[in-house]
Amino acid sequence: DAKTTQPPSMDCAEGRAANLPCNHSTISGNEYVYWYRQIHSQGPQYIIHGLKNNETNEMASLIITEDRKSSTLILPHATLRDTAVYYCIVRKRDSNYQLIWGAGTKLIIKP
Amino acid sequence: DTAVSQTPKYLVTQMGNDKSIKCEQNLGHDTMYWYKQDSKKFLKIMFSYNNKELIINETVPNRFSPKSPDKAHLNLHINSLELGDSAVYFCASRKNPGQGSEQYFGPGTRLTVT
Repeated sequence: DAKTTQPPSMDCAEGRAANLPCNHSTISGNEYVYWYRQIHSQGPQYIIHGLKNNETNEMASLIITEDRKSSTLILPHATLRDTAVYYCIVRKRDSNYQLIWGAGTKLIIKP
Repeated sequence: DTAVSQTPKYLVTQMGNDKSIKCEQNLGHDTMYWYKQDSKKFLKIMFSYNNKELIINETVPNRFSPKSPDKAHLNLHINSLELGDSAVYFCASRKNPGQGSEQYFGPGTRLTVT
């Protein structure tokens, strides 16, 4: 299974774009990159996922490099409520598509 | 209109007791999961279950058993509780075992074994 590497923590000023990097150099051709976040004392929340192309939804944008060995999650206008642990996950290839979770990045949005 | 709900939210019990955590999803999803999040905050899959198949993480002690009375429910029963079972347990569901479908998580159950 492909592993991911994320910085343990990051700060971002409120209103600025938060850019969260993730390395997944061993990703296989049919594995997707998923991003989830976990706000303190809550269950994880799905943000976005992608395979090859860049993706955007109402929450964030996902930029995947052409070689697919790394990606960046972008929160365009971070708010205090975006303070959370952000997990980058490469989905395991099996019939149940289990998610293998790492330590994530603790993102702190500062006023 | 909560999508994935769990009860109880907090559970404090003594070693050796047997307890259950309930999970319900009203999304019509086919697959449900149980995760354990320990004090170091790592989320580890315990079980995944759909109408046809139960997948068990081999590191999970057999004191833990999932029970699914119907498609919308996956309860977690724990026998002979130990101190190391203290953690937050999350239930999740997913529409179908396809590459594109995301998981929806419940709010978690904080289990404390004394």
